[in-house]
Amino acid sequence: QKEVEQDPGPLSVPEGAIVSLNCTYSNSAFQYFMWYRQYSRKGPELLMYTYSSGNKEDGRFTAQVDKSSKYISLFIRDSQPSDSATYLCAMSDTNQAGTALIFGKGTTLSVSS
Amino acid sequence: DTAVSQTPKYLVTQMGNDKSIKCEQNLGHDTMYWYKQDSKKFLKIMFSYNNKELIINETVPNRFSPKSPDKAHLNLHINSLELGDSAVYFCASSHPDRGDGYTFGSGTRLTVV
Repeated sequence: QKEVEQDPGPLSVPEGAIVSLNCTYSNSAFQYFMWYRQYSRKGPELLMYTYSSGNKEDGRFTAQVDKSSKYISLFIRDSQPSDSATYLCAMSDTNQAGTALIFGKGTTLSVSS
Repeated sequence: DTAVSQTPKYLVTQMGNDKSIKCEQNLGHDTMYWYKQDSKKFLKIMFSYNNKELIINETVPNRFSPKSPDKAHLNLHINSLELGDSAVYFCASSHPDRGDGYTFGSGTRLTVV
């Protein structure tokens, strides 16, 4: 079993839809959870950073962490064509210097206008 | 002002050659990383350095040798290139005391023919 599982999609939605992206993980030591967005031929850029369980909201984006279920989600409200990208979840057990992030394989999202 | 810059962006080379990829960050971060992204978009840690000191050296062939001349630079030298080395290589940096994730460069697309 891989440490972090993420449905690769592709996921196609119309503009304005609510999008739900999810990852599950097996390592209960993970405490730091991130979502990155990667446009084609670009580097990943950090969207959301969450420590431990709970919700975090930033504009149209909401990140949720459920450590008891080992499950994290990213919700995108009022999706826009500019949201079309690959979304990668990432996590680590510490935030000490040099700690590796463990990534999911990414979900490709396409938002049509 | 590019925060994490990598050169070259594209590299096409023959099997058996030796090549280097350079990375520089101007964020004042102490920690730098090399990640490899395969054709299925899976991002995997290769190395991490903190203040020029090697922290993580994942199971990577010893044909790959990182070098950090100072904490703002982390280069990757690859000897005797093989077809399987074809991938996108990303450099990243992070601040050790702030929980704000990594900042990635835009990647070096290496094609070995």
